Amino acid sequence: AQSVTQPDIHITVSEGASLELRCNYSYGATPYLFWYVQSPGQGLQLLLKYFSGDTLVQGIKGFEAEFKRSQSSFNLRKPSVHWSDAAEYFCAVGAGTGRRALTFGSGTRLQVQP
Amino acid sequence: NAGVTQTPKFQVLKTGQSMTLQCAQDMNHNSMYWYRQDPGMGLRLIYYSASEGTTDKGEVPNGYNVSRLNKREFSLRLESAAPSQTSVYFCASTLQETQYFGPGTRLLVL
Repeated sequence: AQSVTQPDIHITVSEGASLELRCNYSYGATPYLFWYVQSPGQGLQLLLKYFSGDTLVQGIKGFEAEFKRSQSSFNLRKPSVHWSDAAEYFCAVGAGTGRRALTFGSGTRLQVQP
Repeated sequence: NAGVTQTPKFQVLKTGQSMTLQCAQDMNHNSMYWYRQDPGMGLRLIYYSASEGTTDKGEVPNGYNVSRLNKREFSLRLESAAPSQTSVYFCASTLQETQYFGPGTRLLVL
């Protein structure tokens, strides 16, 4: 069975600083990988996804993520964080069929200091 | 095009009461899912439906039942609510392996 680990429960960065959120997965085959963002009291919004091809994936709001098979990682990055990026971020892995649900990490809460 | 909608947004129940959480999607997706979200645990799958007329258990199905009423609607029922079911419930539907989420239902069981 697949699993996802987000090692950082809480991260604080200054506005304008760069950001990297870590995600490690466990899955036997090539996974489908996702990053979602959740603002307080809101649902989950898809930031980006990786299915195959170029391992550097661009998403919305200036985010990108890189799939590294050798490290079983799919870290999320942003070069310059904005105060509005404060939220909780979830990494998820899918088994690759429409019938299967996603397995989520426990999330990383991002706080942005002015 | 409203995407995935959920009702109610918030509900308070007493232990032992029953209720149904409603979910609908207007994107013509085949697969639909119910998750619960608890602090520090991410989202955990309760039930899912690959297509109209089929449902399957997920990771945490105990205490819940579901109905895939038609292609649009997928409801979650708590027959006898327990305090352990206090959570935020999310419905999702899938298109091309990507899940789209509703806004959630916040449930408090006293």
